Amino acid sequence: EVQLLESGGGLVHPGGSLRLSCAASGFPFAGYAMTWVRQAPGKGLEWVAGLNGGGTYRTYADSVKGRFTISRDNSKNTVSLQMDSLRAEDTAAYFCAKSSGSFGYYFDFWGHGTLVTVSS
Amino acid sequence: EIVLTQSPGTLSLSPGERATLSCRASQTVSSTYLAWYQQKPGLAPRLLIYHASVRATGIPDRFSGSGSGTDFTLTIGRLEPEDFAVYYCQQYSSPRDYTFGQGTKLEIK
Repeated sequence: EVQLLESGGGLVHPGGSLRLSCAASGFPFAGYAMTWVRQAPGKGLEWVAGLNGGGTYRTYADSVKGRFTISRDNSKNTVSLQMDSLRAEDTAAYFCAKSSGSFGYYFDFWGHGTLVTVSS
Repeated sequence: EIVLTQSPGTLSLSPGERATLSCRASQTVSSTYLAWYQQKPGLAPRLLIYHASVRATGIPDRFSGSGSGTDFTLTIGRLEPEDFAVYYCQQYSSPRDYTFGQGTKLEIK
């Protein structure tokens, strides 16, 4: 059974940093791209960042480019999102999702999400 | 960037009725790389349909997807009480440019 468990959310001041982690199990982790998707309160889904299975190809939404960094540790089956220079508009639930292929595609399994609040 | 526009914003129907949800892309979605997700309040999205028309594992056959190019449709044949939720389309033509539609809320009439 595929399981994705996010952690690391919380309250942070504008300009601050936060690191989210996602622990994966139930599938051959290194064979699949992983992604982060966020959802602001009461709003729709927004793709944030993706990383291929080998950890060599990173992609970011324009809204976070230069501020967020996605990484993975295939020895520990984890994917992380380092978020720097946080803004109020980054406030959202952040979901870790498994892609259906090694370089991306649709998202076939999702974690339950972790809430990030950026406020002074 | 491919912009996806979903319509209607809200759809009010009764259990047993048929639901038709639309997703229109601002440019051609290559290889029918379009997915549909269902999201209930407080929960993560769930994959329903990928490649425009392929049902994901465990999805009932009352859910069907169709379309190509710029126009896509999700149809729910006979609504069950558990189908009332928000539905999102997503295109995955390029790993540099994944986008979601703004969602259609399917509510009980």
